[in-house]
Amino acid sequence: GAGVSQTPSNKVTEKGKYVELRCDPISGHTALYWYRQSLGQGPEFLIYFQGTGAADDSGLPNDRFFAVRPEGSVSTLKIQRTERGDSAVYLCASSLTWSEGEQFFGPGTRLTVL
Amino acid sequence: GNSVTQMEGPVTLSEEAFLTINCTYTATGYPSLFWYVQYPGEGLQLLLKATKADDKGSNKGFEATYRKETTSFHLEKGSVQVSDSAVYFCALSGSSSNTGKLIFGQGTTLQVKP
Repeated sequence: GAGVSQTPSNKVTEKGKYVELRCDPISGHTALYWYRQSLGQGPEFLIYFQGTGAADDSGLPNDRFFAVRPEGSVSTLKIQRTERGDSAVYLCASSLTWSEGEQFFGPGTRLTVL
Repeated sequence: GNSVTQMEGPVTLSEEAFLTINCTYTATGYPSLFWYVQYPGEGLQLLLKATKADDKGSNKGFEATYRKETTSFHLEKGSVQVSDSAVYFCALSGSSSNTGKLIFGQGTTLQVKP
């Protein structure tokens, strides 16, 4: 694929439900990032993966949020017991390494919690 | 902690007008500085960057100079076009962070009228 892809593009769920958001980074990119963008705000960092491991998860707001990248490529962001305040656009980005190359962003998943 | 502050928008200009979008930052050490752009219906794209003091980043007629003495990275363009209408985000990547995670400002919407 040419760029970072994210699925689904839109997700509507009910309060209390569990959701999974998927990110396919650019092939060969070892660094992968998740950000969250609320309406009218800039993206906020959630978590960073170097390879398979979460090297920095300091941005995850609480323990309802979890992310994995088991084979060092595709990543899944998991949100348990969703709340209305979780509604936002979730962005994924990848780069060659954390220190080299720009971060390329996917189109995002718009999550709406009713 | 590290932070980025941008001028509030929207900024509305006529075609061929001069553009300045102010950005100031707070950071320890020597961060790298970025401008990202989000065109309507598209994902975030890197516009330009600067990695050390007095560096000037430039792309598509846009320029920004890394000013450590004023902790600023203002975006400028001499003659804007309707196609420049977008949301612009200033961001930094902290030198003390071995992750490359980006800290974004809140974004500035630019509207260029013909």
